[in-house]
Amino acid sequence: DGGITQSPKYLFRKEGQNVTLSCEQNLNHDAMYWYRQDPGQGLRLIYYSQIVNDFQKGDIAEGYSVSREKKESFPLTVTSAQKNPTAFYLCASSIQGQGWGGYTFGSGTRLTVV
Amino acid sequence: GNSVTQMEGPVTLSEEAFLTINCTYTATGYPSLFWYVQYPGEGLQLLLKATKADDKGSNKGFEATYRKETTSFHLEKGSVQVSDSAVYFCALSDQRGGKLIFGQGTELSVKP
Repeated sequence: DGGITQSPKYLFRKEGQNVTLSCEQNLNHDAMYWYRQDPGQGLRLIYYSQIVNDFQKGDIAEGYSVSREKKESFPLTVTSAQKNPTAFYLCASSIQGQGWGGYTFGSGTRLTVV
Repeated sequence: GNSVTQMEGPVTLSEEAFLTINCTYTATGYPSLFWYVQYPGEGLQLLLKATKADDKGSNKGFEATYRKETTSFHLEKGSVQVSDSAVYFCALSDQRGGKLIFGQGTELSVKP
């Protein structure tokens, strides 16, 4: 079955550490996205990529970095510069240029700073 | 710019009650409209969608009609169940296939 896999499901980070969240899709989608969700709040866009080797900042990119070396993969690194990284992180993908199709989401990674 | 506004939650209903969650939007052109559902601790799942005016999206007893004259896409269900307890997000996408714009989400709690 095609879909998006996020790993790990739970992640713990010590202050000052960088951590990388994995997102892999086998849907042959061109575009991929990273969102942050805080308790009781909506989704905020961190980064998105419409094509391999290209990505753009979203609304809250500071303290995060991404890469898009392969169509299937869009990892997110939460750096030590992100002052409040505890949140639920969601990855999504879509067929570029076909907004009517909407997004497919992964099951999320819950990051906690300890 | 494009935006989506949902009614604030939480919405608390008894089982078998009628559900309406309001969603209005601001957009240029003719966006596609979506409802997503998020169960606790999970990602978002597409619930239904509509791609043009007067279209009705439906799934699992939920319905929403694309009303261009009122720029609305309200979610309805005739008889909710405890298993419908979740957060519901309204979203839009412009025709160019750009990024989805999400509302802030509405939490629904259904009591037995």
